[in-house]
Amino acid sequence: AQSVTQLGSHVSVSEGALVLLRCNYSSSVPPYLFWYVQYPNQGLQLLLKYTSAATLVKGINGFEAEFKKSETSFHLTKPSAHMSDAAEYFCAVSAPGNYGQNFVFGPGTRLSVLP
Amino acid sequence: KAGVTQTPRYLIKTRGQQVTLSCSPISGHRSVSWYQQTPGQGLQFLFEYFSETQRNKGNFPGRFSGRQFSNSRSEMNVSTLELGDSALYLCASSLDSASNQPQHFGDGTRLSIL
Repeated sequence: AQSVTQLGSHVSVSEGALVLLRCNYSSSVPPYLFWYVQYPNQGLQLLLKYTSAATLVKGINGFEAEFKKSETSFHLTKPSAHMSDAAEYFCAVSAPGNYGQNFVFGPGTRLSVLP
Repeated sequence: KAGVTQTPRYLIKTRGQQVTLSCSPISGHRSVSWYQQTPGQGLQFLFEYFSETQRNKGNFPGRFSGRQFSNSRSEMNVSTLELGDSALYLCASSLDSASNQPQHFGDGTRLSIL
């Protein structure tokens, strides 16, 4: 069975500062990994995905994530935070070979961006 | 291309009632998954449907059920509502049922139980 941990339920950064949101996974097989963002009163929007191609994945809105197998991590970064980045971010893992889809989501990290 | 559409957006029910939520996936998507989102438990997987068949089921009581129609639209039903069922119910569609296919979410139905 797979699982996801996200270190830090709440992260605050200043506008223009680096954003780093942490995600560690557990999976018995090489996983597929996803980052989603959720704005208030909305559903989740896909930011980026890792599906066993390049380990550095670029997504929308200037975000990127790097898959590190040795560290079982898939941290999300953005060089310069913008006020509009304030939202909740979810990391998700999906294991190949399962019958049907079975995404497991982390608990989420709320990002605040200070002016 | 229209996104995932969930109806209704808000719903208020009382304990003991039942409720049906609807989800229309992105055109061409054949897999639909349902999640319950609460502040305390986060996102919890309910079930996934593909080609009208339930492929996966989460750890929820039998009061929670779903179905998928031939046009891939899906409904979920909750019977004998309890206060703890108050949550945001999210539907997500995917091109197919493969593990590497990303899920695309609707804006959810917020269910409040009085």
